[in-house]
Amino acid sequence: KAGVTQTPRYLIKTRGQQVTLSCSPISGHRSVSWYQQTPGQGLQFLFEYFSETQRNKGNFPGRFSGRQFSNSRSEMNVSTLELGDSALYLCASSLAQAGMNTEAFFGQGTRLTVV
Amino acid sequence: AQSVTQLGSHVSVSEGALVLLRCNYSSSVPPYLFWYVQYPNQGLQLLLKYTTGATLVKGINGFEAEFKKSETSFHLTKPSAHMSDAAEYFCAVIFSGGSYIPTFGRGTSLIVHP
Repeated sequence: KAGVTQTPRYLIKTRGQQVTLSCSPISGHRSVSWYQQTPGQGLQFLFEYFSETQRNKGNFPGRFSGRQFSNSRSEMNVSTLELGDSALYLCASSLAQAGMNTEAFFGQGTRLTVV
Repeated sequence: AQSVTQLGSHVSVSEGALVLLRCNYSSSVPPYLFWYVQYPNQGLQLLLKYTTGATLVKGINGFEAEFKKSETSFHLTKPSAHMSDAAEYFCAVIFSGGSYIPTFGRGTSLIVHP
């Protein structure tokens, strides 16, 4: 069974540009969550999608957005990139919507560097 | 506010020594607790989790953790460290009554010396 696949693995962008990251969840999983990981802040929750609907959202500016397709694949977009957006972006998939006993499976992440 | 604290951003042990990574949470209601491991340039892998039942939980790679309600702790241990255990370890908590999105600790980097 294939794991969570994130593409691309590495990305370098210039300030002011926008970027789209992709996540393919484990087959059969309907929930996808996104996290930003930085050395200073650790893992910060961005948003969760379930059945093409955003169910939860973290405390990030509107420049960060996402969506989920009918096949459960998800994309996140960051517009008007800032240097501080440089981070490892992790995607996690789960069978069901976030709950007390929901186990998340993580992808390898996309390393975004903004210059 | 509900929070997760991992004491020590870095823990250094010798190969064969006991590994102890600390995690405390702030909640009066027992939450669900997880430990994840992250190897360089990789995503997070679940080591073990506590939901209900036995408070001593065994995970993969010889790790185990004990949920202590009175201490609001979920420390991770391994009797004998191996070089391959060197990685970043994250404690995560799902607090009841909220959005059920896990809150992660800042992580502890485990360094294993030969």
